[in-house]
Amino acid sequence: DADVTQTPRNRITKTGKRIMLECSQTKGHDRMYWYRQDPGLGLRLIYYSFDVKDINKGEISDGYSVSRQAQAKFSLSLESAIPNQTALYFCATGAGGVHEKLFFGSGTQLSVL
Amino acid sequence: AQKITQTQPGMFVQEKEAVTLDCTYDTSDPSYGLFWYKQPSSGEMIFLIYQGSYDQQNATEGRYSLNFQKARKSANLVISASQLGDSAMYFCAMRGGGTSYGKLTFGQGTILTVHP
Repeated sequence: DADVTQTPRNRITKTGKRIMLECSQTKGHDRMYWYRQDPGLGLRLIYYSFDVKDINKGEISDGYSVSRQAQAKFSLSLESAIPNQTALYFCATGAGGVHEKLFFGSGTQLSVL
Repeated sequence: AQKITQTQPGMFVQEKEAVTLDCTYDTSDPSYGLFWYKQPSSGEMIFLIYQGSYDQQNATEGRYSLNFQKARKSANLVISASQLGDSAMYFCAMRGGGTSYGKLTFGQGTILTVHP
């Protein structure tokens, strides 16, 4: 089984719909992250959480919200999806420290029509 | 603020030859870490190599080495003896301290194509 699991793998939705992307991990890490990947822009940080009670905005948090339900679970919501939120979304976990290596899920390809 | 720049959108290399992927960074943090990740066409992100800002020697992991030039703020990835399976997108990333603590910032990526 994968250490970091994202569901769904693919999702097509319509403008204005509410969407939730889920992430769970078995690494036992406190830190979890949500990134989005767009062609030519690399990965950009949406939200991150250092523990269950610590949630922080990343560089592109507008239009998104998150919930850290437990140490192992971190979900990302799009309250009202718009087409420019079409992207590949990654969840990642890490153990902390400047040398922290992130472990990524397989990604969720989201298309907003 | 920290910034990572990869200036090569695409690179080509012949199988069995070496290739260097460029990465420059900007940060005011004295302590930081530099990373390279590989993303094959299947989409997953694979960690390749790490270099700490205080490390005296360049990091190496098998066929991967990181050419770290601190004064020039560059952290180029060198892949020796390229293989067809090395064809992928490669991302350089950095984590600093201070206000950037905990946040991994990625470059735009370089697509590497290995020709037989």
